[in-house]
Amino acid sequence: DAGVIQSPRHEVTEMGQEVTLRCKPISGHDYLFWYRQTMMRGLELLIYFNNNVPIDDSGMPEDRFSAKMPNASFSTLKIQPSEPRDSAVYFCASSLGQGWGSGANVLTFGAGSRLTVL
Amino acid sequence: QKEVEQDPGPLSVPEGAIVSLNCTYSNSAFQYFMWYRQYSRKGPELLMYTYSSGNKEDGRFTAQVDKSSKYISLFIRDSQPSDSATYLCAMSYNNNDMRFGAGTRLTVKP
Repeated sequence: DAGVIQSPRHEVTEMGQEVTLRCKPISGHDYLFWYRQTMMRGLELLIYFNNNVPIDDSGMPEDRFSAKMPNASFSTLKIQPSEPRDSAVYFCASSLGQGWGSGANVLTFGAGSRLTVL
Repeated sequence: QKEVEQDPGPLSVPEGAIVSLNCTYSNSAFQYFMWYRQYSRKGPELLMYTYSSGNKEDGRFTAQVDKSSKYISLFIRDSQPSDSATYLCAMSYNNNDMRFGAGTRLTVKP
């Protein structure tokens, strides 16, 4: 498997523009996570899906952010309109999930999408 | 107060040194504890995993969890230049919603 695939790797855009980040999780993984990483705030969970259904979106900063997972092999994170403070590296991760118990829920991260909003 | 606190460093040590990395947390419901390693321009990779309290050893790496103190540690013995990376602690109450520390940047000098 090629791992979690994210695109684009780098995006530079101007304030007010719409940004769409894409993610292809590992085949067979039931969980998909979107994280944002900045120097100031570290790695923050934005939203996660289980079997394509959003489970917790409490980390989405505001209504400008939206995420969808139309099928098991594709997810998007959209920012509209974008602002300079949205500049960060956005990571997608997927996992088999492990609910309650002692098993490890290993998140496999993609390489990230580095977003710069001017 | 953040749920997970981690000193961002940077931390610089000579090759062969013992490295100690730590995190504290405030949510007593956390019971899944992990350490991820992140190389520059890459996504984090799981390094160690511990469920509830106790110690876990894997080669040169040892993870410790002290739930009474809400404190977790990662020790690296005989550190190598290839260990130079950012180390992030992560924890969860339900094994899905992972909360990460800010990460500690480690440099091991030859």
